[in-house]
Amino acid sequence: DAGVTQSPTHLIKTRGQQVTLRCSPISGHKSVSWYQQVLGQGPQFIFQYYEKEERGRGNFPDRFSARQFPNYSSELNVNALLLGDSALYLCASSTDRGITEAFFGQGTRLTVV
Amino acid sequence: KQEVTQIPAALSVPEGENLVLNCSFTDSAIYNLQWFRQDPGKGLTSLLLIQSSQREQTSGRLNASLDKSSGRSTLYIAASQPGDSATYLCAADSGGYNKLIFGAGTRLAVHP
Repeated sequence: DAGVTQSPTHLIKTRGQQVTLRCSPISGHKSVSWYQQVLGQGPQFIFQYYEKEERGRGNFPDRFSARQFPNYSSELNVNALLLGDSALYLCASSTDRGITEAFFGQGTRLTVV
Repeated sequence: KQEVTQIPAALSVPEGENLVLNCSFTDSAIYNLQWFRQDPGKGLTSLLLIQSSQREQTSGRLNASLDKSSGRSTLYIAASQPGDSATYLCAADSGGYNKLIFGAGTRLAVHP
């Protein structure tokens, strides 16, 4: 079975541009979460979606938005990119809303220049 | 507000040693605690999940314990190997919905 898949794997954008990152969860998983990992730090929670509804949001500006589709895949959008948005963006899926194991994808490396 | 701390930040050991990685959290009201492994530039690989009602979990050479009352979890690695070299992250789920709060990780190097 395929694990969590993310695309693209690497991305270079210019300050002020917009970016869309994509995530496909493990088959049967209805929960998708997004995390940002800056070099040398642990991942920070951005969003969690369950059954296409936002269930949790971290301390990130409104430039960050996300959505989940009927097939449970998800997109993370970031507008007006800043140099500080350069990071590894990770997607995780799980079977339920909580108390279940989270499985992560390989991430999208975003570089803002 | 949940905060997770991992000690030590880095560890370098010879092959064959038994290791203990520490994780502490400030809010004991957690749903579960999960340990991950991360290789450089890669995603996270789940190692062990301990639910709040459990005290420990084991997988091969790995054993993780959870003490909610003291706000601590430990990851024990037996007979370390060079292939164990990676960053190990612990994460606490305080609100359900897999809103994981991560520590900064322990960077482990096992040399032959």
